Amino acid sequence: EVHLVESGGGLAQPGGSLTLSCAASGFTFSDYGMNWVRQAPGRGLEWVSFIPSGGRPIYYADSVKGRFTISRDNAKNSVYLQMNSLRTEDTAVYYCARDLLGRYNSGSFDNWGQGILVTVSS
Amino acid sequence: DIQMTQSPSSLSASVGDRVTITCRASQTIYNYLNWYQQKPGKAPTLLIYSASTLQGGVPSRFSGSGSGTDFTLTISSLQPEDFATYYCQQSYITPPLTFGGGTKVEIK
Repeated sequence: EVHLVESGGGLAQPGGSLTLSCAASGFTFSDYGMNWVRQAPGRGLEWVSFIPSGGRPIYYADSVKGRFTISRDNAKNSVYLQMNSLRTEDTAVYYCARDLLGRYNSGSFDNWGQGILVTVSS
Repeated sequence: DIQMTQSPSSLSASVGDRVTITCRASQTIYNYLNWYQQKPGKAPTLLIYSASTLQGGVPSRFSGSGSGTDFTLTISSLQPEDFATYYCQQSYITPPLTFGGGTKVEIK
């Protein structure tokens, strides 16, 4: 069974940093592209970033480009999201999500973690 | 960026009703359209991809149709566990992948 577990969330100050981790199990992690998707309180879903199975090319939403960095460690079956220069509007539940079609970037998300809350506030 | 517009934003329906949710893309996305269900406090789950392909384990009362710019999610007979928020999402052009605003299905 596919299992994705996020960690590393919490409270950060505006301008601060946090790093989210997503630990994967139940599938061959190195065969799949991974995404981060977020949801602000009471709002809809916003795609944040994608990293393919091979690590490149990487994509970001304009709202986080230059501030967030996605990476992966296939040996540790994990994907990360380094978040710098945090803003209050980055407050959201962050989900890691697996790509449906593995090495081919389908842009569809077939398995999601339970989500982790990031709150940016002074 | 491709804008995705869902309608209605919310609806009230009874168990057993047929429910239809529509999603419109700001440009053609062919059949690169996915539907997700999200229950309160839970992560979304994939219902349908490629506009009409049912994800494994999803009940057959869910169906999707459409191509180009106009798409539909239909629940043929609403069940108590179907009360949730539904999102469409285009996967034709990335970045960015974009979602519709969501449709909340509530109990009448």
